[in-house]
Amino acid sequence: AQSVSQHNHHVILSEAASLELGCNYSYGGTVNLFWYVQYPGQHLQLLLKYFSGDPLVKGIKGFEAEFIKSKFSFNLRKPSVQWSDTAEYFCAVNPLSGSARQLTFGSGTQLTVLP
Amino acid sequence: DTAVSQTPKYLVTQMGNDKSIKCEQNLGHDTMYWYKQDSKKFLKIMFSYNNKELIINETVPNRFSPKSPDKAHLNLHINSLELGDSAVYFCASSQGPVTDTQYFGPGTRLTVL
Repeated sequence: AQSVSQHNHHVILSEAASLELGCNYSYGGTVNLFWYVQYPGQHLQLLLKYFSGDPLVKGIKGFEAEFIKSKFSFNLRKPSVQWSDTAEYFCAVNPLSGSARQLTFGSGTQLTVLP
Repeated sequence: DTAVSQTPKYLVTQMGNDKSIKCEQNLGHDTMYWYKQDSKKFLKIMFSYNNKELIINETVPNRFSPKSPDKAHLNLHINSLELGDSAVYFCASSQGPVTDTQYFGPGTRLTVL
């Protein structure tokens, strides 16, 4: 079965710092990739997704992610974080073939941005 | 004009009770899901329905039974609630089965006492 690893469990940054959250997955075939964000007390919202094409994808609120197929990675980046970016961030992977075609989430990374 | 809605938002109940959570989507999607988010924020799929038919049924106790009266609704009924069922339950929907972008509801926080 596929798995998704988010190695940073809790990241604390000051405002204006740059952000990179790691995401690695363990599926060898073609995948769709997602980053979702969950603000405190709210539901999951889609930040960005990669289906095909340019491996550098841009999402909402200034976030971007780069798909590196050789590294099975889909890291999330933002050049300058704001206090309002404090939230839980989830990477998710969906294989496009095989019997286990379901969205699998990483364990999440809690981002705290200090004002 | 909420896209995916769930009721109730909070549910507090005693062990052994039976409860239901309702989910509705007005996006015209064909596929709906139930996820469980535990106290460590880990999200795991429970069920998925495509056009009212069950397509994903993960290893979930049979006390949990999803019901899809039509493709806009996917309700979750839980029998004989246990302490370990306490979690946040999220409903989601997508246009196509599984691989499309999923849109999530606001969640239902279930607390079993």
